Amino acid sequence: QVQLVQSGAEVKKPGASVKVSCKASGYTFTSYAMHWVRQAPGQRLEWMGWINAGNGNTKYSQKFQGRVTITRDTSASTAYMELSSLRSEDTAVYYCARDVIAAAGTSYYYYMDVWGKGTTVTVSS
Amino acid sequence: EIVMTQSPATLSVSPGERATLSCRASQSVSSNLAWYQQKPGQAPRLLIYGASTRATGIPARFSGSGSGTEFTLTISSLQSEDFAVYYCQQYNNWPQLTFGGGTKVEIK
Repeated sequence: QVQLVQSGAEVKKPGASVKVSCKASGYTFTSYAMHWVRQAPGQRLEWMGWINAGNGNTKYSQKFQGRVTITRDTSASTAYMELSSLRSEDTAVYYCARDVIAAAGTSYYYYMDVWGKGTTVTVSS
Repeated sequence: EIVMTQSPATLSVSPGERATLSCRASQSVSSNLAWYQQKPGQAPRLLIYGASTRATGIPARFSGSGSGTEFTLTISSLQSEDFAVYYCQQYNNWPQLTFGGGTKVEIK
């Protein structure tokens, strides 16, 4: 079955960087894009960015532009999200989620159908 | 950025009753809206996309409606497993997404 397995929890100091991985299985990795979404404690879900796993094209939230880098390794069917210059406000659970584009007649629907379990990143001095 | 606002923040409902959740967009998103369910300690789960299409495996008691700026998620008869937080999410300017603040459905 389709699965996204994320790397384990991280504890980082302010100013450091963190790189979270998301290994896909059960489907052709390069046929789908991947989103990264985070959720700070008690907060809403927040979109960070997206990568087309086929061609490597990326799109980032303006909020994280310059601090986030999303990459992929097609040979390992793995997507990565790196966040730099960490601050306490970056303490959150980080999720990867598969992006689906479904066509229905002349309409297109976009949604995230499978999610990783999340990676907790704690930023603390 | 399109801002999504959900109401109410918390909804207290008895099992077997109907729950109606609202989501409003700051500008029209057509039918480019999805709903997700999230339980404590779990990742979100897709319920509805295209404002009204149920995802695979989602029970018929979940239904979505609306277009433009006003959307509704209805759970016709709440089961114990439905008590959770529900988020709406627009994808009108995909791949850039924004989520609502969530509605927590709790047991009355």
